[in-house]
Amino acid sequence: DTEVTQTPKHLVMGMTNKKSLKCEQHMGHRAMYWYKQKAKKPPELMFVYSYEKLSINESVPSRFSPECPNSSLLNLHLHALQPEDSALYLCASSQDTETPFYEQYFGPGTRLTVT
Amino acid sequence: AQSVTQPDIHITVSEGASLELRCNYSYGATPYLFWYVQSPGQGLQLLLKYFSGDTLVQGIKGFEAEFKRSQSSFNLRKPSVHWSDAAEYFCAVGTRNAGNMLTFGGGTRLMVKP
Repeated sequence: DTEVTQTPKHLVMGMTNKKSLKCEQHMGHRAMYWYKQKAKKPPELMFVYSYEKLSINESVPSRFSPECPNSSLLNLHLHALQPEDSALYLCASSQDTETPFYEQYFGPGTRLTVT
Repeated sequence: AQSVTQPDIHITVSEGASLELRCNYSYGATPYLFWYVQSPGQGLQLLLKYFSGDTLVQGIKGFEAEFKRSQSSFNLRKPSVHWSDAAEYFCAVGTRNAGNMLTFGGGTRLMVKP
């Protein structure tokens, strides 16, 4: 099974709401990633978890809060977002973060709209 | 720092015609190179990757890519395009530093004429 699943597929939220995005993989991967992708642009890395510990935060605003409860699950908690945060949020996983030899597998994404 | 350039933002080819998508990278060490495809509203799917060895790499869906160190290029090719190949294509370079970070090119949108 080489699948990364993400829920929900679509999410519409107001600027005062709190919501969470969920990502799951069952490939035994120990690295998980959150990317943000605006329309017609490449994915931009937000966070990297390695062995359930946050290893990279690409200067992401605190209204985005990642969480890795276990090696198979990655959450992104959202609070007080701005309309410019509307984007496709992609999750990915790889065997580990030591080398790009281990490719990243991407989920289908969550399309987020902030109103 | 590494960078990836995809010179063509849009490419249109006729179904059955051959395809070449260009990718140029800038990276001081031996690059780890990838091509991903993204259909509208979907995640990224890996087409192929290059780390070392044979510079002509075969991937899924009939795609291949050739690594040319002298030209810092990793162009993607397909001999005969199908309508289902219409998508966004991203070239990426991977780094060996912490985080297994990928640097993506800007992407090339492929349109296929019937």
